[in-house]
Amino acid sequence: GENVEQHPSTLSVQEGDSAVIKCTYSDSASNYFPWYKQELGKGPQLIIDIRSNVGEKKDQRIAVTLNKTAKHFSLHITETQPEDSAVYFCAARRRLDEAGRRALTFGSGTRLQVQP
Amino acid sequence: DGGITQSPKYLFRKEGQNVTLSCEQNLNHDAMYWYRQDPGQGLRLIYYSQIVNDFQKGDIAEGYSVSREKKESFPLTVTSAQKNPTAFYLCASSTRQAGNSYEQYFGPGTRLTVT
Repeated sequence: GENVEQHPSTLSVQEGDSAVIKCTYSDSASNYFPWYKQELGKGPQLIIDIRSNVGEKKDQRIAVTLNKTAKHFSLHITETQPEDSAVYFCAARRRLDEAGRRALTFGSGTRLQVQP
Repeated sequence: DGGITQSPKYLFRKEGQNVTLSCEQNLNHDAMYWYRQDPGQGLRLIYYSQIVNDFQKGDIAEGYSVSREKKESFPLTVTSAQKNPTAFYLCASSTRQAGNSYEQYFGPGTRLTVT
């Protein structure tokens, strides 16, 4: 099955700096890679995603890059703000896994703290 | 939280009791999922359902049961057989329509504490 590793587990940056979170995946058949932001006591919110047919996607201050050859993808947040402080999860999904399901496999999360 | 509601937000039970967590969605999504989240860890799939009256086990289904009698509802029962039931439980849903991207949208979660 798929295995997703996420680094770092914690990240502290100064307001205005950039933050980068990296994930690697094991299954070369994975073709969809979403990123979720989870605030304390709430459910994860989808913030950006990328499919295997593109290498980069950007949405305002957030961007995601994908390297299919190396099987890793990264989240980039520029001009960080205190409200960006949260736990961020990456995930990967095959079109259909061995059980015939569209299941997401999640990384273990990165706690981002933006210092004002 | 994208039209997905989970109730209650906090739930307390004594060990040995079964407890049912509610999940309702008004997004007209076909697929629904239950995940478990433990402190400092990612989400692990418990059960999922692609259509009404059908559901399949995820990676950690032991000690849990579900039903999918209506498209909008996917309740999860945590049975007394679950060894470590205290956790944050998240419900999600996604569309299965062709041409859509199958993004999963999550509810606000239920924090279950068993003592």
